[in-house]
Amino acid sequence: ETGVTQSPTHLIKTRGQQVTLRCSSQSGHNTVSWYQQALGQGPQFIFQYYREEENGRGNFPPRFSGLQFPNYSSELNVNALELDDSALYLCASSSTSGSSYEQYFGPGTRLTVT
Amino acid sequence: GNSVTQMEGPVTLSEEAFLTINCTYTATGYPSLFWYVQYPGEGLQLLLKATKADDKGSNKGFEATYRKETTSFHLEKGSVQVSDSAVYFCALSRHSGSARQLTFGSGTQLTVLP
Repeated sequence: ETGVTQSPTHLIKTRGQQVTLRCSSQSGHNTVSWYQQALGQGPQFIFQYYREEENGRGNFPPRFSGLQFPNYSSELNVNALELDDSALYLCASSSTSGSSYEQYFGPGTRLTVT
Repeated sequence: GNSVTQMEGPVTLSEEAFLTINCTYTATGYPSLFWYVQYPGEGLQLLLKATKADDKGSNKGFEATYRKETTSFHLEKGSVQVSDSAVYFCALSRHSGSARQLTFGSGTQLTVLP
C-alpha cells in the first residue's frame, strides 16, 4: 500500500510569486485535505477536495486554491505569496467509505517566502 | 466553534517515566478524537483514535480515553523511551459543511532523556 506523497520537499519563493504544491493520495482514498502548519503551531485546515470539487474550506483567503484530479491526486496553489505563507504544507488523504474518519498525512512541503 | 487545548510544553522526562499529556476539547455533538505524533522533519502520523464516549484508543503503549463528561482525551504511556521524543498533537474531527476537517491543538514537545 502506497502512502501519501508530496512534492516538492522544500521550496523557496519570493513575495508576490505563485506556487503549486502536489499531493498523491494513499491507495484507496478518495478525499484530500490540505493543512498549513506554521512553525511551532498545530496544522490549520485550508480546504478539502472530494470528487474533484472543494467541499469545505477553512479561514483562508481565495488566493489559496486547489484542484483534485480523477486519480484523486491534488494540487494546492497559492497566488501573490506573502511572508506569512512560509510554513509546512501538509496533505492528508482519507476515505469516505465506512465509518473510519482517519486522515493520513504526507511528509509535507516546506515553503519559505522571502 | 471547535477547539482543542493541550497542556503547554515542552515536557522533559527520563526514560521509563510515566507520561501524561492533557487534552481538552470544545465541540458540538460527538466529535471523533485523535492523537497524532510528529517526528523531527516529518509529517504527522496517526497514533490512536476514539470515535465515541468511553472508547479507549491504544497503540505502541500509548492510551487515551474519550471522556465526554470532562470533554477530555488525555494521552498516557506507562514507560516512555528515548524514541518517543517528538511533538504530540491532539485533534478532533467534525463535519464542516460536507467536509470532515481536523482541528488541532498547538502540540506538546516531548523529550525523553536516557
